Amino acid sequence: NAGVTQTPKFQVLKTGQSMTLQCAQDMNHNSMYWYRQDPGMGLRLIYYSASEGTTDKGEVPNGYNVSRLNKREFSLRLESAAPSQTSVYFCASSDVGGARLFFGEGSRLTVL
Amino acid sequence: EDQVTQSPEALRLQEGESSSLNCSYTVSGLRGLFWYRQDPGKGPEFLFTLYSAGEEKEKERLKATLTKKESFLHITAPKPEDSATYLCAVPSGGSNYKLTFGKGTLLTVNP
Repeated sequence: NAGVTQTPKFQVLKTGQSMTLQCAQDMNHNSMYWYRQDPGMGLRLIYYSASEGTTDKGEVPNGYNVSRLNKREFSLRLESAAPSQTSVYFCASSDVGGARLFFGEGSRLTVL
Repeated sequence: EDQVTQSPEALRLQEGESSSLNCSYTVSGLRGLFWYRQDPGKGPEFLFTLYSAGEEKEKERLKATLTKKESFLHITAPKPEDSATYLCAVPSGGSNYKLTFGKGTLLTVNP
C-alpha cells in the first residue's frame, strides 16, 4: 500500500546544478501535482498534470520543468538550481480534479 | 485574487480543552473546501471536503462546518495526538486542479 512515493527524500545541490525529483503513484489516479512548501508561504502549486499526456503551469512554475512519463510517474526537473528553490517538495495525486489529494512524504532540497 | 486565510497561526490547548480553527476564503464560485492535517516531516493527509454552506462533516473529535465566507474546524476534547498543522484549501483560478492553500494553524495539545 505505497500510495505516492517520492525520491530522493533529501538532496543538497550547489547553485547551477541540475536534478530531477521522481514521483510515482500506485492508485491508478489520473491527475498528479507538484507543490513546494516554504515557511510562512504555505503550499504552492508548481505544475500539474490533469491526465496522462498533459501538463500545465501552477502558481510558481518558473525554474522548473515537468514530465508525465506515464500514468504512474510525474517528474520535476530543476535545470539550474538557485538558492530560492530551497524548499520541501511534495508530489500528490488525485482521481480527478477537485477530488481529495494524496500526498507523498516530501523531498527536502537545499541549494547552496 | 482568490485567497485563503487561516487563524490563529498557532494554538496551544490543554488536553480536553475544546476550541475552533478558522479558515476564511474569497473565491468566485466555491467548488469545495478541503481540510488537511500535516504532521511534522510528513505530507498533508486529507480530512474533509465541504461543498455547500451549512454542510458539516465529522471524524472522531473533529467537526468541520462551512458558511458562505468561512469554514471552522471544531476540535472537541482534544488529545495530544491531535497535535499537528491543519491546512485548508479551495480550488481557485477557475480550475479544479489548482488548489490555493492557507498557511495553516499549528495546533499543540499538551497532556
